[in-house]
Amino acid sequence: GAVVSQHPSRVICKSGTSVKIECRSLDFQATTMFWYRQFPKQSLMLMATSNEGSKATYEQGVEKDKFLINHASLTLSTLTVTSAHPEDSSFYICSAIRNTEAFFGQGTRLTVV
Amino acid sequence: GENVEQHPSTLSVQEGDSAVIKCTYSDSASNYFPWYKQELGKRPQLIIDIRSNVGEKKDQRIAVTLNKTAKHFSLHITETQPEDSAVYFCAASIQGGFKTIFGAGTRLFVKA
Repeated sequence: GAVVSQHPSRVICKSGTSVKIECRSLDFQATTMFWYRQFPKQSLMLMATSNEGSKATYEQGVEKDKFLINHASLTLSTLTVTSAHPEDSSFYICSAIRNTEAFFGQGTRLTVV
Repeated sequence: GENVEQHPSTLSVQEGDSAVIKCTYSDSASNYFPWYKQELGKRPQLIIDIRSNVGEKKDQRIAVTLNKTAKHFSLHITETQPEDSAVYFCAASIQGGFKTIFGAGTRLFVKA
């Protein structure tokens, strides 16, 4: 079946630094990918829609200058958390759509200390 | 935009009993309704889905029903087992690759 790979699975960074998370569709091309954030015991909140070759579309309340999204190819989208703060600590998950079904990456647990 | 509400937030059942989780959605254009199971620290996994041209779908112990008029859809798990314990999310989207909006989730506990 379709596989979406996300890297890294865990990252710890210092406050003020930037962290890049990669999302790859391994066996299909995805012109659109989605980035979600999930706080403990909460739902997946859509942050932005990543569009290959064009700017990402951000949900209301999500700072585009803080969460930089680059969808440089049909199989790769990256999310960069810039100037990370402890409140950015969360589980970040990407997804890609294939034949109307969403496939999720493994998720990245970000801890900002 | 779409808004999906899910109830209950927590559900505890005895092994062998049935579990029902209910969701409502707001956007009448939504036509695809997947259900996901998420175990702690892992990615959501699709367990069943239903499209708006179907009222009910069943896969072994899992069934989903959809009432388009009322904008309600439900997940039914029969003969629950301890391994069914997880968080379940309903979701709604417009078929064709549009963004998926999730419900708040239901934490299901199945007691042996």
